[in-house]
Amino acid sequence: DQQVKQNSPSLSVQEGRISILNCDYTNSMFDYFLWYKKYPAEGPTFLISISSIKDKNEDGRFTVFLNKSAKHLSLHIVPSQPGDSAVYFCAASAGDKIIFGKGTRLHILP
Amino acid sequence: EAQVTQNPRYLITVTGKKLTVTCSQNMNHEYMSWYRQDPGLGLRQIYYSMNVEVTDKGDVPEGYKVSRKEKRNFPLILESPSPNQTSLYFCASSTGISDTQYFGPGTRLTVL
Repeated sequence: DQQVKQNSPSLSVQEGRISILNCDYTNSMFDYFLWYKKYPAEGPTFLISISSIKDKNEDGRFTVFLNKSAKHLSLHIVPSQPGDSAVYFCAASAGDKIIFGKGTRLHILP
Repeated sequence: EAQVTQNPRYLITVTGKKLTVTCSQNMNHEYMSWYRQDPGLGLRQIYYSMNVEVTDKGDVPEGYKVSRKEKRNFPLILESPSPNQTSLYFCASSTGISDTQYFGPGTRLTVL
């Protein structure tokens, strides 16, 4: 049973436009959510996070939105840049457990 | 430089031959974790450790062992590797479970 779902395996976005990556979760006990970015042949790197007491967190071009009632979070990247092409993992934690989604591969088109 | 190191980076071995993948961090982090990444399955947690001598199972612990004798080291042990353990493995560390995890560069393991 997937507790953290990223239903889009891949996404292509034109450079300069907005990229929106989605993530759904099933466990209402999750209280912290994170996004990681991964380039080929490298380990994932932290991008942005949000606590369950907030509904939005912004860091430069990256904004994460949390809708607790829908158990849904999204990552917005604007404007999208070529270096944003990577795999993005959504993760959720509760207590001492953390669960990652399967990832979404983002392609930024020139 | 703050980092998580893993060794080896690449390993090809045969079924049943015990192996250890080392992981070391220099950030004095209490929380360390091992993940495997497989196509279509994302990152799955194998084991984690909240502190020295404290370890616990993640989602896919079968066939793996870990130990945490020192704060900086968290080796992953495969006592009798099998082909279904062929995967890309990542070690990570952080100050706590909800804090930013710093990942190592990965170890690509092939079990023949």
